[in-house]
Amino acid sequence: KNEVEQSPQNLTAQEGEFITINCSYSVGISALHWLQQHPGGGIVSLFMLSSGKKKHGRLIATINIQEKHSSLHITASHPRDSAVYICAVPRITDKLIFGTGTRLQVFP
Amino acid sequence: DTAVSQTPKYLVTQMGNDKSIKCEQNLGHDTMYWYKQDSKKFLKIMFSYNNKELIINETVPNRFSPKSPDKAHLNLHINSLELGDSAVYFCASSQDRWEGDYGYTFGSGTRLTVV
Repeated sequence: KNEVEQSPQNLTAQEGEFITINCSYSVGISALHWLQQHPGGGIVSLFMLSSGKKKHGRLIATINIQEKHSSLHITASHPRDSAVYICAVPRITDKLIFGTGTRLQVFP
Repeated sequence: DTAVSQTPKYLVTQMGNDKSIKCEQNLGHDTMYWYKQDSKKFLKIMFSYNNKELIINETVPNRFSPKSPDKAHLNLHINSLELGDSAVYFCASSQDRWEGDYGYTFGSGTRLTVV
């Protein structure tokens, strides 16, 4: 079993829908990362959070340390949000363990 | 200005060759990494350097050798390339102590194809 599990694996939505991607992990962590991999392959860090909630534009990330769970929300989704979203947590000496990713497709 | 730059972006080479991928960051970060993304798009750590010192060396064939001439550069040299080495390799950097909002900055990736 992977130490970082994401759900769903694939997600399709209509433009404007509210999106939620979930991440559960089984290791103790200092922070959790959400990454976005564009269709072209590039990877962008969206959030690093260790507690509570962070918001950047239409993206919101929350984490519950006790439950070892994080969610990434996208409000008013748009086709340009189509990408793979990856949850990652650091093990010892900053080694990141990645989830398998959630492939999101938003249709107009 | 590109924060983490990798070159080349694409690399096609024959089995048995030796090749290098270069990575440079201009963020002043202390730690740099190499990750491999396999055909199933799964990312795994290969190496990590902190201030030119090797910190993480995962179970990677010793044909792979990282070189860090200074803390802004981490190059990946691969000897005797094999078909299974075909993948996308990502360089990344981070601050030492989780400062800032984002933690990690990734390069754009190098797609290596061994034929």
